[in-house]
Amino acid sequence: DVVMTQSPLSLPVTLGQPASISCRSSQSLVSTDGNTGLDWFQQTPGQSPRRLIYTVSNRDSGVPDRFSGSGSGTDFTLEISTVEAEDIGVYYCMQRTHWPHTFGQGTKLEIK
Amino acid sequence: EVHLVESGGGLVQPGGSLRLSCAASGFDFSKHWKTWIRRVPGKGLEWVANMWPDGSEKYYVDSVRGRFTISRDNAKNSLYLQMNSLRVEDTAVYYCVTWGNNVHWGQGTLVTVSS
Repeated sequence: DVVMTQSPLSLPVTLGQPASISCRSSQSLVSTDGNTGLDWFQQTPGQSPRRLIYTVSNRDSGVPDRFSGSGSGTDFTLEISTVEAEDIGVYYCMQRTHWPHTFGQGTKLEIK
Repeated sequence: EVHLVESGGGLVQPGGSLRLSCAASGFDFSKHWKTWIRRVPGKGLEWVANMWPDGSEKYYVDSVRGRFTISRDNAKNSLYLQMNSLRVEDTAVYYCVTWGNNVHWGQGTLVTVSS
């Protein structure tokens, strides 16, 4: 199985400051059709997860533009330009290029 | 508005069975990929089972293959997960998730496997 490794696992942040989460895969996530199956999910307290970013860098509908995704191959990053209180929660990367689809361990974003 | 509502979770002894249900509304359920994903306490999210939109293929993670069965009833806009031979490590919140242009998650249903 493809192992997804996130860092850091805990990210204390100051409101209004930027935040960055890294995700590395044990294999390349470039599929035979040339697409890269890497998504980012957010789970805020008491809520179900929701997808923020799909295919590395595409924001889902309704996701604020302070969220951005980048990367290629095996190294990917989720960035929040200025953290707001509603962003507190756990963030997961997920690969869907290889079966089984696998998630990172999760990064807990919390207020410093 | 899109809604996915899971039911069927609860407390079960090791070796027991449960059937989870997911009722969908507000979108064309039959045209979406259908998935069960679980959040394991103290760990994270795990992809459990997947069904192609036309139901032609199903996929299971190794740890549940042979014990869990994913199925659907398009007439009832419903997805199911039959879970047999349950183990302590199957304890988790189980989410019904559908994938189309958007991704929709249910609120989750808690399954606790304990003696």
